[in-house]
Amino acid sequence: DSGVTQTPKHLITATGQRVTLRCSPRSGDLSVYWYQQSLDQGLQFLIQYYNGEERAKGNILERFSAQQFPDLHSELNLSSLELGDSALYFCASSVASGGQSYEQYFGPGTRLTVT
Amino acid sequence: ILNVEQSPQSLHVQEGDSTNFTCSFPSSNFYALHWYRWETAKSPEALFVMTLNGDEKKKGRISATLNTKEGYSYLYIKGSQPEDSATYLCAWGNFNKFYFGSGTKLNVKP
Repeated sequence: DSGVTQTPKHLITATGQRVTLRCSPRSGDLSVYWYQQSLDQGLQFLIQYYNGEERAKGNILERFSAQQFPDLHSELNLSSLELGDSALYFCASSVASGGQSYEQYFGPGTRLTVT
Repeated sequence: ILNVEQSPQSLHVQEGDSTNFTCSFPSSNFYALHWYRWETAKSPEALFVMTLNGDEKKKGRISATLNTKEGYSYLYIKGSQPEDSATYLCAWGNFNKFYFGSGTKLNVKP
């Protein structure tokens, strides 16, 4: 158990809908990262937040947005869902803002299925 | 395009064999190289974070080396055990962004 929690574990929804994925980092970690694992692609970095502020953006679609709240939990919002958004979404946390030098701890993931 | 490549894609070894995998990454703008172990139906688990050229890290039977000038890292497993069966992922850190390889899937037969 990494100490990172994600809810829900599974989510099934229809195209065009909007969903929110939630992540709570390990106690003491200030950085949260979001990743997408699609069937035909490797793990893709989406976005990073540190202590409430956006720090880095990866391959995140405009239909997706994220935020980190004062209690440090983070939410990833996915809107106008398409079939291709079906994937496993991971969040990870680390202690520092510069995640390069610090281990990242991954949550169990949320499996999103868009039908 | 920032490519992180891992080879081989998959590997089947016998229990007790030693093995190694390669992660290749762009040699410019290097910040860190992460190795993860990812078992089926679980989430990636951090093995090593390497930041300096020439770094060598070890955890039990697993070790890794880093060459930032030529853009590669090796992961070694000595005396593979069935419980080492997993996908081994590397991630290249470029400032705050991370680029993952597609992984090497290791299967250790008893």
